Amino acid sequence: ETGVTQTPRHLVMGMTNKKSLKCEQHLGHNAMYWYKQSAKKPLELMFVYNFKEQTENNSVPSRFSPECPNSSHLFLHLHTLQPEDSALYLCASSQSGHYNEQFFGPGTRLTVL
Amino acid sequence: GNSVTQMEGPVTLSEEAFLTINCTYTATGYPSLFWYVQYPGEGLQLLLKATKADDKGSNKGFEATYRKETTSFHLEKGSVQVSDSAVYFCALPSTLTGNQFYFGTGTSLTVIP
Repeated sequence: ETGVTQTPRHLVMGMTNKKSLKCEQHLGHNAMYWYKQSAKKPLELMFVYNFKEQTENNSVPSRFSPECPNSSHLFLHLHTLQPEDSALYLCASSQSGHYNEQFFGPGTRLTVL
Repeated sequence: GNSVTQMEGPVTLSEEAFLTINCTYTATGYPSLFWYVQYPGEGLQLLLKATKADDKGSNKGFEATYRKETTSFHLEKGSVQVSDSAVYFCALPSTLTGNQFYFGTGTSLTVIP
């Protein structure tokens, strides 16, 4: 247990569906992240939130919409996804600031049909 | 910008064999360096880190030394076990934003009895 939980662990959705991924951290951190992990590719940072404010958006398509209502919760809202969006989506948290270790959740395995 | 280049896998070793996974980096400044491990079905977790040149990080029998002259941070273990089977990621943070990490592509290790 890393102190970061993600739900659901597995999700299958059609291209017209709308779904949301949830992340919660119990570590008292003030920075949270979404990553995409695809086979044979480096881990891709999608979004960064510091103190509930989005500070990074690495050219992520608008069909992915993050939400950070407080420093403990992070959501990723999904709509009209494509099959190539199928991947493992990892949430992480850390203390804000330089070079602090990131703690990862177990991920949500997403399959888009 | 900062980046890491990691040895391609997969790597298959017999139990008690010596392990080396190569990692080289490009960075402005002197960021901390990290190795993360991902066990099957789980998220990434920190294995070890080094915060400055010539530092050696160690954990669970794994070691890595921050070598500025060769810009390397190779992971080593003298005697691997079946339970070490996992994917290993080298990582370094951005020296500009600090909490944005760059991960290698990951090296899959399988240890056979």
